[in-house]
Amino acid sequence: EDQVTQSPEALRLQEGESSSLNCSYTVSGLRGLFWYRQDPGKGPEFLFTLYSAGEEKEKERLKATLTKKESFLHITAPKPEDSATYLCAVLAANSNSGYALNFGKGTSLLVTP
Amino acid sequence: NAGVTQTPKFQVLKTGQSMTLQCAQDMNHEYMSWYRQDPGMGLRLIHYSVGAGITDQGEVPNGYNVSRSTTEDFPLRLLSAAPSQTSVYFCASNRPTETQYFGPGTRLLVL
Repeated sequence: EDQVTQSPEALRLQEGESSSLNCSYTVSGLRGLFWYRQDPGKGPEFLFTLYSAGEEKEKERLKATLTKKESFLHITAPKPEDSATYLCAVLAANSNSGYALNFGKGTSLLVTP
Repeated sequence: NAGVTQTPKFQVLKTGQSMTLQCAQDMNHEYMSWYRQDPGMGLRLIHYSVGAGITDQGEVPNGYNVSRSTTEDFPLRLLSAAPSQTSVYFCASNRPTETQYFGPGTRLLVL
């Protein structure tokens, strides 16, 4: 069965203290791995899509990387406005729906001044 | 583009009542889907559609119905609400194998 596990569940950082969030997955053929940001009371907001091992994408202070077993979301010199829940999701090649995302439970990030 | 819109934003129901959660998208996406989000459970797929007239069940379909008569709209119907359906509901749309874009959500409380 396809599984997506995110760690840690919660992370508290000081402003400027860099860190990484982890998303490990087991799927039968990865079509894509997606990172979303979710603010309280809002819908998930798309950040990145990664398709193959070795791929990296960057946006401002965020950088996403992908290996055959996991993805990392690196946050460099975070600011309080980076506080949110970060969700990881995978699209498997053999998913019954042909496209449905399988989500992890998320990492809740708090960045304090 | 408004993207994905959902109404209502918040709803309170009594057990046994029925209601429809509305979802619309203006991006001409073929695929639309409904998720529910519960604390500690993550996002779980309820129903999805790969085009007008075509729907299928996701991971947690019981107690919900959907239909897709147009590309733009994908309503979710609760036939007889139960307290276990208290949740936050998100609608999403996308092109095949591409990024899913989410609506702002509907918060449902069933008493």
